[in-house]
Order: sequence, then C-alpha cells, then structure tokens
Amino acid sequence: NAGVTQTPKFQVLKTGQSMTLQCAQDMNHEYMSWYRQDPGMGLRLIHYSVGAGITDQGEVPNGYNVSRSTTEDFPLRLLSAAPSQTSVYFCASSYRGRGLSEAFFGQGTRLTVV
Amino acid sequence: KNEVEQSPQNLTAQEGEFITINCSYSVGISALHWLQQHPGGGIVSLFMLSSGKKKHGRLIATINIQEKHSSLHITASHPRDSAVYICALGRGGSQGNLIFGKGTKLSVKP
Repeated sequence: NAGVTQTPKFQVLKTGQSMTLQCAQDMNHEYMSWYRQDPGMGLRLIHYSVGAGITDQGEVPNGYNVSRSTTEDFPLRLLSAAPSQTSVYFCASSYRGRGLSEAFFGQGTRLTVV
Repeated sequence: KNEVEQSPQNLTAQEGEFITINCSYSVGISALHWLQQHPGGGIVSLFMLSSGKKKHGRLIATINIQEKHSSLHITASHPRDSAVYICALGRGGSQGNLIFGKGTKLSVKP
C-alpha cells in the first residue's frame, strides 16, 4: 500500500517562482490537508478538503492555492514563492474529519526559497 | 495561550529507562493523537485516544478528559525510539482538523 505520496521530497526555488507540490493517496479518504512545519512551531494548517470539489482555508493560507478535482489528489500551489515560505510541507489524509480517525502523512517536502 | 502544551520540550534518556511525555490542552476535543517523527522523516500516527488507555508494544498512551491531560509512556526505551513525539488535538466544528503541539524531542543513549 502506497498510503500518502508526496513529491518532490526536496525543492529549491527562487523568489517569485511558482511550483506545485503533489499529494496523492490511495486509501479513498475524503479528508485531505496540507500543513507546514517550521522550527519551534507546531504544524500549521494551510488548506484542507473534505471531498472532491470542496476546499477551505486553514490557519496560514496566504500565498497558497489548492484544488481537489479527484478524491485521490490534492496539489498545493505556491503562486509566487517568498523566503517566508521556506518550510517543510506535509500532506495528510484521513477517513473522517475533525480528528476522529487516524491521520496518514506523506514523507514531507523540504522547500527552500532563496 | 497555546491550546496544546507538551512537556518536556527535550528529553534525554539512557537505554532501558521508562519515559513519560505529557500533553495538556485547554479546549474541548473529539480525540487526541500521538504522532512520531524521526529526524528528516515523515510523521507516523501512534495512537488516537478519546478515553482511557491504549497500548502498542512498549508504548502506552493515556488520557484524562476531565483534567485535559494525556501522557505517552515508553517502557524499556531503545535508541531507535529517538524521535520527536507530537501531541495533536482533534476538534469538532467547521475547522475540522488537527491542532498540533510543538513536539517533544527524545534522545535515547545506548
């Protein structure tokens, strides 16, 4: 079982560039989320989705876009990269929302913006 | 004030020691999660609790809903247990996602 697959694992961007972080899950989970992890802080929610075609903002959505055209895929787009977006990004999925079922995480994408 | 606080922030133990990591929270929750993150690695779910106690191998998690407190215990610790342990709250409502503690970095020396 692949679980949650994130690509790429590492990425270096120049300020102003755009890119898409890919996330795919093969567990038929309705709930998918994107988090960022910064030193000294807990993971923070960027965007989340409760099903195909439905997305909503989390705690730190500025500078990021998401879409959910299929149950399996939940890409995160950086529109114009800034150094403040240097972070480790995690995609997660779960069967139920509201923390009511086990969360499955991808391996993370380490992004550096120079 | 943070909704979830973990203690200690850092913990060094000798192999074989009994380890306790604490998580206190200040809001109503639907469930509490314990997660493990190895250096440079992904995040793995260890437990999801809404009451009582759960045990997987050498790991034990407990929760006291009235006191808004949970503990993660590791018996007979081993260097491979070295990781960051994260407490996360599951809440109802429109946000519907996890709220994470800052983590406890555990280092077990041989």
